[in-house]
Amino acid sequence: AQSVTQPDIHITVSEGASLELRCNYSYGATPYLFWYVQSPGQGLQLLLKYFSGDTLVQGIKGFEAEFKRSQSSFNLRKPSVHWSDAAEYFCAVGAFIGAGNNRKLIWGLGTSLAVNP
Amino acid sequence: DAGITQSPRHKVTETGTPVTLRCHQTENHRYMYWYRQDPGHGLRLIHYSYGVKDTDKGEVSDGYSVSRSKTEDFLLTLESATSSQTSVYFCAISAGTANTEAFFGQGTRLTVV
Repeated sequence: AQSVTQPDIHITVSEGASLELRCNYSYGATPYLFWYVQSPGQGLQLLLKYFSGDTLVQGIKGFEAEFKRSQSSFNLRKPSVHWSDAAEYFCAVGAFIGAGNNRKLIWGLGTSLAVNP
Repeated sequence: DAGITQSPRHKVTETGTPVTLRCHQTENHRYMYWYRQDPGHGLRLIHYSYGVKDTDKGEVSDGYSVSRSKTEDFLLTLESATSSQTSVYFCAISAGTANTEAFFGQGTRLTVV
């Protein structure tokens, strides 16, 4: 079955510390992978995406993620966290719906990040 | 930012009343989606559309209907609102090719009392 797992429901880090948010997926074909961020009361904003090529992808706000096919993982990292990074982070994989070429995103349940000053 | 507008942004309604939420896009994207977001459940797909008058069900479609009469508008209707439909509803759009991301609206917070 297609699924996305974010093992950590909640993470707290100190400002300036490094961050890694985990994402594992289950998908039979080549995955199209995404990380989104949601600030309180806001919609979701795309941080980065992976389709092919270099397995280390750079995104906005200083985030990067590494695709590891052997581990079915797409972990999000940031070397130094800022207080403004406190938000909910969602990992997703692009999948096809039904018999046609229609697409949807399969979502993890999210990781809530708190940043201590 | 992608041009997606959801209306209303907040609504309180009574159990049993019909409610319609509107999503309007200016990007001319083919795909439009309605999600609901609830604590502990993440984002769940309600319905989606892959073209004008072309819609299909998502994983939590019971109690909801949709319509898309124009490329730019995707309406979500709760035929008879129930308290279990209290949620935050997000509209998303996508060009729909295999490697394109979805862009989200700001959400509608619906409370059914």
